[in-house]
Amino acid sequence: DVKVTQSSRYLVKRTGEKVFLECVQDMDHENMFWYRQDPGLGLRLIYFSYDVKMKEKGDIPEGYSVSREKKERFSLILESASTNQTSMYLCASSQNRGTEAFFGQGTRLTVV
Amino acid sequence: SQQGEEDPQALSIQEGENATMNCSYKTSINNLQWYRQNSGRGLVHLILIRSNEREKHSGRLRVTLDTSKKSSSLLITASRAADTASYFCANRISNTGTASKLTFGTGTRLQVTL
Repeated sequence: DVKVTQSSRYLVKRTGEKVFLECVQDMDHENMFWYRQDPGLGLRLIYFSYDVKMKEKGDIPEGYSVSREKKERFSLILESASTNQTSMYLCASSQNRGTEAFFGQGTRLTVV
Repeated sequence: SQQGEEDPQALSIQEGENATMNCSYKTSINNLQWYRQNSGRGLVHLILIRSNEREKHSGRLRVTLDTSKKSSSLLITASRAADTASYFCANRISNTGTASKLTFGTGTRLQVTL
């Protein structure tokens, strides 16, 4: 079974902190994605990556950056956390541009 | 934003009834996918329909795609209480090179009661 693992299920951080959300997949997928999910807004794409060291902005990249140094790992970085970044963050991976995506269990981040 | 929208936002039906959810999107797509999310969890892929297909079945699921109207529908037949979840459509758009966005809609919350 494909497994996508997010490093934390729940996270509480202070305003201004630098926050790292880690995602690891074990199926050698080329594509990886970071989304945030907020009530009434569905899933919004923050960043995605189609290869090591390659990244593209999604629909809401402001305030975020990403890192993909190894194929299996895709990190989301909040340079200076703010309260409006309190959300559920979901990581996903897929084999190539045509196929289904597999999701991690999500990280619920609260910024206080 | 290329985010699509599902309709209705919420749906409540009784066990045994059929549930129909609709999805609209904005741009040309390679394929359209439907996902399910149980409360507070990650999403699980249900079914994928390619842009050159019009209808697809998988068990109790039936998906249609109308590219001229940029819309899709998901039908769940003979619903069960265990089908209670949120359902999302997602469209796959190929940009330049090998980059490919997967963009989700806002979701439909389905409640199936006994």
